[in-house]
Order: sequence, then C-alpha cells, then structure tokens
Amino acid sequence: AQSVAQPEDQVNVAEGNPLTVKCTYSVSGNPYLFWYVQYPNRGLQFLLKYITGDNLVKGSYGFEAEFNKSQTSFHLKKPSALVSDSALYFCAVRDTSGTYKYIFGTGTRLKVLA
Amino acid sequence: SQTIHQWPATLVQPVGSPLSLECTVEGTSNPNLYWYRQAAGRGLQLLFYSVGIGQISSEVPQNLSASRPQDRQFILSSKKLLLSDSGFYLCAWSPLPDTQYFGPGTRLTVL
Repeated sequence: AQSVAQPEDQVNVAEGNPLTVKCTYSVSGNPYLFWYVQYPNRGLQFLLKYITGDNLVKGSYGFEAEFNKSQTSFHLKKPSALVSDSALYFCAVRDTSGTYKYIFGTGTRLKVLA
Repeated sequence: SQTIHQWPATLVQPVGSPLSLECTVEGTSNPNLYWYRQAAGRGLQLLFYSVGIGQISSEVPQNLSASRPQDRQFILSSKKLLLSDSGFYLCAWSPLPDTQYFGPGTRLTVL
C-alpha cells in the first residue's frame, strides 16, 4: 500500500537554528512529493514539490527539501528558523496506482522558540 | 491566476439538520476537485474527489455526499448532520499530475 510517514508529532527548535522535519514515503514508481504548511484555522499552503530533476528542491519562505531515493525520504529543511515558521507541516505524495488521489502524512507541529 | 473559494467560513448547525458547503475555482478549467475533513487540527481525511462534471469518487460512506454540477463547482452535502461531522472541511483543486491547492476551509460545529 502506498503511504507517507511523518515520524515526529512535534519538533522544537530555537530561533536561528536549522530545522528539519522528516518525511518518508512508500509508493511504486516515481514519486511526486509535496510539502505544505498550515497555520491555525487556515487552509494548507503549498511550500515545494519534487517531480523530477535535482534532488534538492527550493521552495517558499526559505524552505528546501532533499529527495533521497535510496532512503525513500523527502525531509524539509530550513537553515535558520523563525518564530513565524511555527505551524503544522504536511508531507504528501501523489498516488501512483492510477487514481487521482494524494496521500498525506499525519502532520508535524513545528514550534520555534524565541 | 487561479483562486479557490469556500463558503461559508464558519458554520454552527444542530444535529439532524442538513448541510451544504460550496467550493468554486476560478482561472482554470476541468480541474480535479477534492473534499477533505480535518479533525482536531491534525490529519486530513479524503472524503470525495472528482475528475469531471458529474463524476464523483467516494472515499467514505455514511451520511455525506458530494456533487459537481458545474466544471469548477464542488458541493459537499448531508441530509442529517451527526455530532461526528464536526471538523474543518477543506476543498482542493489540482491540475493533474501536479500540485494540489487548498481553499481557506470551513469550520463546521455540530451541536
């Protein structure tokens, strides 16, 4: 079965420090991978995606993600965290079994401490 | 550019009442459309998706239904709401095979 795992419910990081939010996936074939951010009572905002090409993908608000095929991972990173980065982050993969669905992880709450 | 709208933004309904949530997309044609429910600010549950007018795929049974009467309109309905229907409802669209884009959401409270 195709799946996405976000192993950490919450990640705490001090402002100015680098942050990593982890994501691993299981799909057949080539994955289409996405990261989204959600602020309270708001819809999900698209951050970045990997479809093909360079393994390091750069996105909005200084975020980037590294696609690692051998480890089936797509971790979200930022060199220097801001308090305003505190939010709920979702990793997603497009289903490759012939449906039009997207499979989401359970979300990781990022808390950046001043 | 494309825009996705959802209304209402918030809704408080009594148990047993009907429901109608609307989602519309502007600036694109023939999008794939999706309804999700998010409980307690965490994971997303896919409820329905549609790849064209009148084409609805259901991921969950029970008392919810969806319709797509026009190319860029997606409606989520219920004849009788349950307490368990409370949650944050998100509509999304996608120009396959690419990114999904989400609307602002509707907060539904069933009392």
